[in-house]
Amino acid sequence: DAGVTQSPTHLIKTRGQHVTLRCSPISGHKSVSWYQQVLGQGPQFIFQYYEKEERGRGNFPDRFSARQFPNYSSELNVNALLLGDSALYLCASSLVLYRGGFKDNEQFFGPGTRLTVL
Amino acid sequence: QKEVEQNSGPLSVPEGAIASLNCTYSDRVSQSFFWYRQYSGKSPELIMSIYSNGDKEDGRFTAQLNKASQYVSLLIRDSQPSDSATYLCAVNRGDSGYSTLTFGKGTMLLVSP
Repeated sequence: DAGVTQSPTHLIKTRGQHVTLRCSPISGHKSVSWYQQVLGQGPQFIFQYYEKEERGRGNFPDRFSARQFPNYSSELNVNALLLGDSALYLCASSLVLYRGGFKDNEQFFGPGTRLTVL
Repeated sequence: QKEVEQNSGPLSVPEGAIASLNCTYSDRVSQSFFWYRQYSGKSPELIMSIYSNGDKEDGRFTAQLNKASQYVSLLIRDSQPSDSATYLCAVNRGDSGYSTLTFGKGTMLLVSP
């Protein structure tokens, strides 16, 4: 079975530009989460979507937005890019939104999109 | 206090030894705990999940959970050079509204031949 896919793999942008990152979850998974990972840190939560609705948002500015489509794929948009937005952007999918203590909410990561802002 | 804490390492062990990786968390309502392995330049790969107190074994990996002490560990038996990677501890906050994973900074493991 195909895992989580993300596109593009790498991206180079300049300050002030806009970027759109894309993610397709594992077949059958309805929840998609986005994380940002800067060098030397663990991934940091940005958004979670379930059934096309935003269900959680991390501590990120309004320049960050996302959406989920009827086929459960998702886009992450970042406006007015800053140098500090340079990072690995990770998409993770899970079967359900949350079911405490059960495997259903295990999150599986895609390969990531490495964004460099110059 | 950081929510999930790990020693950054590196933790160096010889091939064939047991590697012990530790993690503490601050949110007492956390219900789900995960270990991810991340090779340099790659994305995190889920290797273990644990939900109840005690040990859970999967091949060479054993996860241990002690909710009273808010402590999670990962043991890797018969360590191999291919185990050299950063190991991320992640905790699910347990909020029924959504399923945020909170990660530690990771522990780098180096297994020498």
